[in-house]
Amino acid sequence: DSGVTQTPKHLITATGQRVTLRCSPRSGDLSVYWYQQSLDQGLQFLIQYYNGEERAKGNILERFSAQQFPDLHSELNLSSLELGDSALYFCASSSSYNEQFFGPGTRLTVL
Amino acid sequence: AQTVTQSQPEMSVQEAETVTLSCTYDTSENNYYLFWYKQPPSRQMILVIRQEAYKQQNATENRFSVNFQKAAKSFSLKISDSQLGDTAMYFCAFMKSAYSGAGSYQLTFGKGTKLSVIP
Repeated sequence: DSGVTQTPKHLITATGQRVTLRCSPRSGDLSVYWYQQSLDQGLQFLIQYYNGEERAKGNILERFSAQQFPDLHSELNLSSLELGDSALYFCASSSSYNEQFFGPGTRLTVL
Repeated sequence: AQTVTQSQPEMSVQEAETVTLSCTYDTSENNYYLFWYKQPPSRQMILVIRQEAYKQQNATENRFSVNFQKAAKSFSLKISDSQLGDTAMYFCAFMKSAYSGAGSYQLTFGKGTKLSVIP
């Protein structure tokens, strides 16, 4: 158990819908990273937050957004969902910039 | 930008034997970390081993060891005495060091190698 929690574990929704994925980092970790794992794109970095502020953006679509709240949990919002958004979404947290701890992931299926 | 290449999509090994997974990377950074992550069928990402680029000594964690060749930008993983529980996808990953200056420290992953341990 990494100490990072993600909810829900599974999410099934329809095209055009909007969903929110939630992540709670390890106690004391200020950085949260979001990654997407899909069959065609592999594991890709989406976005990073540090202590409530956006720190870096990767290959994140404009339909996707994220935020980190004062209690350090983070949410990834995916809107206008398409079939190609079906993937495993991981959250990772870190405090030391030399290791990241991954949550169990949220499997999103868009029908 | 960094790139990580794993040239072996799939590999298999007999139980108790030794197997080596290959990884090459490209970067202009001088300070960085390299990782091997294991992803079993449960899909959890598990850190197997970490190497700091400034350390010449290869990292070792029990049955797992790496061969880090900085000049060649090569970072292979050796699994000794393979066990059935080693069956998983293995991802090589790069992260720049905080000593490289400001910026983000996200992980850049290779495409992965699917390892099957055969009884």
